[in-house]
Amino acid sequence: DAGVIQSPRHEVTEMGQEVTLRCKPISGHDYLFWYRQTMMRGLELLIYFNNNVPIDDSGMPEDRFSAKMPNASFSTLKIQPSEPRDSAVYFCASSDSTSYGYTFGSGTRLTVV
Amino acid sequence: KNEVEQSPQNLTAQEGEFITINCSYSVGISALHWLQQHPGGGIVSLFMLSSGKKKHGRLIATINIQEKHSSLHITASHPRDSAVYICAVGQGAQKLVFGQGTRLTINP
Repeated sequence: DAGVIQSPRHEVTEMGQEVTLRCKPISGHDYLFWYRQTMMRGLELLIYFNNNVPIDDSGMPEDRFSAKMPNASFSTLKIQPSEPRDSAVYFCASSDSTSYGYTFGSGTRLTVV
Repeated sequence: KNEVEQSPQNLTAQEGEFITINCSYSVGISALHWLQQHPGGGIVSLFMLSSGKKKHGRLIATINIQEKHSSLHITASHPRDSAVYICAVGQGAQKLVFGQGTRLTINP
């Protein structure tokens, strides 16, 4: 398995633009997580899905953020409109409820200017 | 008070030294994870523990469920071990709660 695949690896965008981050979890994993990492706050959970259903989105900062998981092999995190304070590294991770194995993607470094 | 506390926050040592990083947590868990992140890099899962001890190469992780404490040890440390080590706890396969990380620097 190629692991959790995120795209793009880097994204630079202007304030006000829409940004879409993508994630392909490990096949067979039934949980998918979106985390954000900043110097000030460390790693924070944004939202997670179980069997494609959003379970907890209490970490989503505000209405500008939305996440979808249309099928077991794909998820998106969208920011619209983007703001400079959204600049961070966004990690996707997936896990398996039978083994509790947890795998992170390589992350997307987002810079909003 | 954070649910997961790591110590020390920063650690600098000489190559070859024995390293210990500690993690204490205040919530009930089903598993504790030790993660490694190199500068500008992704996050790699080193260990997942629910009891006892695990060893992988020069890395050893232990957990004491009753005391809600875990340690990560590195024997014969090497400059390539320089990274941020993160303790995270979780319930089953669900969301993780992270410590603030320990920045380890091993000098040659």
